[in-house]
Amino acid sequence: QKEVEQDPGPLSVPEGAIVSLNCTYSNSAFQYFMWYRQYSRKGPELLMYTYSSGNKEDGRFTAQVDKSSKYISLFIRDSQPSDSATYLCAMSADTGRRALTFGSGTRLQVQP
Amino acid sequence: GAVVSQHPSWVICKSGTSVKIECRSLDFQATTMFWYRQFPKQSLMLMATSNEGSKATYEQGVEKDKFLINHASLTLSTLTVTSAHPEDSSFYICSARDSGRAYNEQFFGPGTRLTVL
Repeated sequence: QKEVEQDPGPLSVPEGAIVSLNCTYSNSAFQYFMWYRQYSRKGPELLMYTYSSGNKEDGRFTAQVDKSSKYISLFIRDSQPSDSATYLCAMSADTGRRALTFGSGTRLQVQP
Repeated sequence: GAVVSQHPSWVICKSGTSVKIECRSLDFQATTMFWYRQFPKQSLMLMATSNEGSKATYEQGVEKDKFLINHASLTLSTLTVTSAHPEDSSFYICSARDSGRAYNEQFFGPGTRLTVL
């Protein structure tokens, strides 16, 4: 079993839809949770960062962390064609090494 | 701010040659940089952690003699793929931690696509 599970998609939605992306994890030591967006042949770009449980909102993006269920989500409101990309969840434990463990990524396609 | 560059962006080489990839933090100091490899339609796999002024820490299954890492300054880490073979063809991405930030945030470079013929 992978430490971080993420549905690879592809997920296709119409423009303006609310998108829900999710990851589950097995390592209870994870404390830092991130969502990255990666366009084809580019490096990942940090979208949201959350420490421990709770919600965080930034514009059209909302990140949720439920540590009791080991489940994190990213919601995208009013989705745009420019949101079409692969979304990677990433997390790390509160250790000195601070390397990230990534999910496999969900490919999102927003249809105009 | 928080820009990470990689050079080259792509490289094609013959089997048996060595290839060096540079990773630079342009506007911040990075005592720690990470090297990842990504195969098509797969996630990023951590190869090694590069620490300024000390030896890199390699993940299990990554050959340290094949993937040489040097982190000689607070803004530069290099990955050298020695005696490259076609199975080394992949997308190599570095990331850097901003030493000035309190939390664990990594900024990624744009990646280097290596093709070994």
